[in-house]
Amino acid sequence: DTEVTQTPKHLVMGMTNKKSLKCEQHMGHRAMYWYKQKAKKPPELMFVYSYEKLSINESVPSRFSPECPNSSLLNLHLHALQPEDSALYLCASSASGVYNEQFFGPGTRLTVL
Amino acid sequence: QQQVKQSPQSLIVQKGGISIINCAYENTAFDYFPWYQQFPGKGPALLIAIRPDVSEKKEGRFTISFNKSAKQFSLHIMDSQPGDSATYFCAASMMNTGNQFYFGTGTSLTVIP
Repeated sequence: DTEVTQTPKHLVMGMTNKKSLKCEQHMGHRAMYWYKQKAKKPPELMFVYSYEKLSINESVPSRFSPECPNSSLLNLHLHALQPEDSALYLCASSASGVYNEQFFGPGTRLTVL
Repeated sequence: QQQVKQSPQSLIVQKGGISIINCAYENTAFDYFPWYQQFPGKGPALLIAIRPDVSEKKEGRFTISFNKSAKQFSLHIMDSQPGDSATYFCAASMMNTGNQFYFGTGTSLTVIP
């Protein structure tokens, strides 16, 4: 299984809502990532988890809260978002060690009203 | 500061032609250079990658050329097809920095029949 799955595919939320994005992989990868991607722009790194511990936080606002409950799962909790947070949120995973290939999921299209 | 510079921003090629996308970097510590292909509404997918110990890598119609002294690398798509129409991102990373990718700004490729 060389797939990263993300749910939901689409999410519309108001600025006062709390929601969560979910990412799952069963490739045995020990590094997982959250990216934000705006239209016609490259993915922007938000968070990196390595062996279930947060290793990189790219100065992301606290209204985004990541969680890695186990080696296969990655969540992104959303609260009090702004309309400018509307974007495609991508999850990726990679094996630790020699090879750096990151496998991306299909993304969650988030719209904040 | 953009760690990886990519050009052109957009490219239109006739079917059967050669598409060429270029990237340049400054950090000589980078040791992994992947190219990702992204279709609208989808996550990026790894197309081909190269390490700096080789000058060229070919997989089917896709070739990476790597010039270590010039700190440049390029993607060549031979016999371009309409199905190749997508956005292409180059990236660079250092193995020992948590697999953090530095993406180029992207090239939107359109192959016209």
